[in-house]
Amino acid sequence: DTGVSQNPRHKITKRGQNVTFRCDPISEHNRLYWYRQTLGQGPEFLTYFQNEAQLEKSRLLSDRFSAERPKGSFSTLEIQRTEQGDSAMYLCAGSLGLPNSPLHFGNGTRLTVT
Amino acid sequence: GENVEQHPSTLSVQEGDSAVIKCTYSDSASNYFPWYKQELGKRPQLIIDIRSNVGEKKDQRIAVTLNKTAKHFSLHITETQPEDSAVYFCAADTGGFKTIFGAGTRLFVKA
Repeated sequence: DTGVSQNPRHKITKRGQNVTFRCDPISEHNRLYWYRQTLGQGPEFLTYFQNEAQLEKSRLLSDRFSAERPKGSFSTLEIQRTEQGDSAMYLCAGSLGLPNSPLHFGNGTRLTVT
Repeated sequence: GENVEQHPSTLSVQEGDSAVIKCTYSDSASNYFPWYKQELGKRPQLIIDIRSNVGEKKDQRIAVTLNKTAKHFSLHITETQPEDSAVYFCAADTGGFKTIFGAGTRLFVKA
């Protein structure tokens, strides 16, 4: 058990609606990452936080996506005006933030946009 | 930015045989190379990693090799078992900032 929990596990929404996902890493994870994974592909980097600071955001991420980590603990990922192409597994991962620290993934939130 | 290529995309072996998965990376600044295993419907989990100051690392039936000059690294699984069947991802990290994954190799171990 990595200690990283994500909610909800599944989300079905209609195109155009907004959705928000939550990730709770363990307290030692001062780095928190969001990845997106589609069927048959590896996790694709979206963004990451060092404590509460968002340090990098993928250029592939449209303006409809926003992430926060307000107190350096849990994080939320919001997708506005969802599109069918947003359907994917959204994975959160924590790490200790030391150089060369492995990622500890949560179970993910599977989003289906109809 | 970093790009990681992985092959083969699918690998089928007989139980007891060895399996080898190969990856290349583009960013010479990458210095950490983890491997993750993802079983169906589950999260990716770290199985082994290697840092750029070593060329090889072994953990029981799993070994990784790294060739920094050629920007290649490989995963070797010996004496494969049916429970090794999963998707394996290689990844590269430029120093703890972000990890870039390969597309994955689906390994089938036939009993």
